[in-house]
Amino acid sequence: AQSVAQPEDQVNVAEGNPLTVKCTYSVSGNPYLFWYVQYPNRGLQFLLKYITGDNLVKGSYGFEAEFNKSQTSFHLKKPSALVSDSALYFCAVRGPGGSYIPTFGRGTSLIVHP
Amino acid sequence: DAGITQSPRHKVTETGTPVTLRCHQTENHRYMYWYRQDPGHGLRLIHYSYGVKDTDKGEVSDGYSVSRSKTEDFLLTLESATSSQTSVYFCAISGPEKEGNIQYFGAGTRLSVL
Repeated sequence: AQSVAQPEDQVNVAEGNPLTVKCTYSVSGNPYLFWYVQYPNRGLQFLLKYITGDNLVKGSYGFEAEFNKSQTSFHLKKPSALVSDSALYFCAVRGPGGSYIPTFGRGTSLIVHP
Repeated sequence: DAGITQSPRHKVTETGTPVTLRCHQTENHRYMYWYRQDPGHGLRLIHYSYGVKDTDKGEVSDGYSVSRSKTEDFLLTLESATSSQTSVYFCAISGPEKEGNIQYFGAGTRLSVL
């Protein structure tokens, strides 16, 4: 079975400060890891992914995430937060192979204060 | 929202009535999914399809059925709606395997069962 934990329901950060949204996972085999963002009244949008290669992956809007195999984590980061980054963020994981069914975390609401 | 159209976008119905939600894609992707999104639960998979007339259950399939008679259309039916099915429903498609099967989401259908 595969699972994802996002331990924080909400993260508050001041504009211009660095932000981190945490994600840990459990899966058999090498993980496929994803971050998605959801703005109000919209569907989820893909932000970035890790499949293989460098542990630090870069995505849209200046976001990046670090894959840590020993800690089974895939935290989302950004060096300098913007008010427009305020949204709901979802981490997702799936295992390798033919089943293309990811498991999503419960989501973390990011609030960036001016 | 990546060539995915959900209809209707909003619906209010009464307990016990049948409801069908439609998802239409223009991407010709094989895999399609139906999720529901509820506060505190994140995204939960209802059903998915891996081809025309090929469907399977997700983790919260009770009370829902699906059909896929064409590659581009994936229908979700609530045979007899209940108040517990009040939710926001998202359709998704899965992109190419070489890209890690990133999911692309529709804009969602907000369903209220009174």
